[in-house]
Amino acid sequence: DIVMTQSPDSLAVSLGERATINCKSSQSVLYSSNNKNYLTWYQQKPGQPPKLLIYWASTRESGVPDRFSGSGSGTDFTLTISNLQAEDVAVYYCQQCYSAPFTFGQGTKLEIK
Amino acid sequence: EVQLVESGGGLVQPGGSLRLSCAASGFTFSNYWMHWVRHAPGKGLIWVSRINSDGSSTTYADSVKGRFTISRDNAKNMLYLQMNSLRAEDTAVYYCARRNVVAAGIVSGFDPWGRGTLVTVSS
Repeated sequence: DIVMTQSPDSLAVSLGERATINCKSSQSVLYSSNNKNYLTWYQQKPGQPPKLLIYWASTRESGVPDRFSGSGSGTDFTLTISNLQAEDVAVYYCQQCYSAPFTFGQGTKLEIK
Repeated sequence: EVQLVESGGGLVQPGGSLRLSCAASGFTFSNYWMHWVRHAPGKGLIWVSRINSDGSSTTYADSVKGRFTISRDNAKNMLYLQMNSLRAEDTAVYYCARRNVVAAGIVSGFDPWGRGTLVTVSS
């Protein structure tokens, strides 16, 4: 199984500042046949289901604000939230869609400082 | 509107059974692989199971293999999860989610998700 490890577990950032969340996979999630990293980021707010934010490590889902960006390849990935807004308070998860079981990171709780 | 609605959760004793349902609407259900994911209180998201578009292939997490069965009825646009021999550690909100594909049929992730149904295993 591919193990996904996020850091930090929690993060407090001031409004308007930048938040950075890291995700590391125990093996590469780069699919060689199409050169896509099968790494997806989700946002989950209390009482709501997860929402897909970014797929293929860096492609923003339609409707997601451009202050959310993803980067990385192979085994190391980063989600960056610029100009933090109050509505960005949530738990963020990375997930590998490379192979079953489709494991998630443990989550990173983002709060306002 | 693309929508998934789960039902069937509730309180069950250890060793008991429960069948979850997920009603799909707003898209051609028979074209998509589907998944179940659970979220235990205070814990992270755990992938549970998947089924391919025609129901001929299924995969399970080790923690539920042999106890849970995923199935679907494409004529009714329904996804199911039969859960047997339930344990306290199966207590969670269970979500159904669609495997989403984008350009050239490449998987992007799970989208959308239903709002979930709570399963509580306790005596």
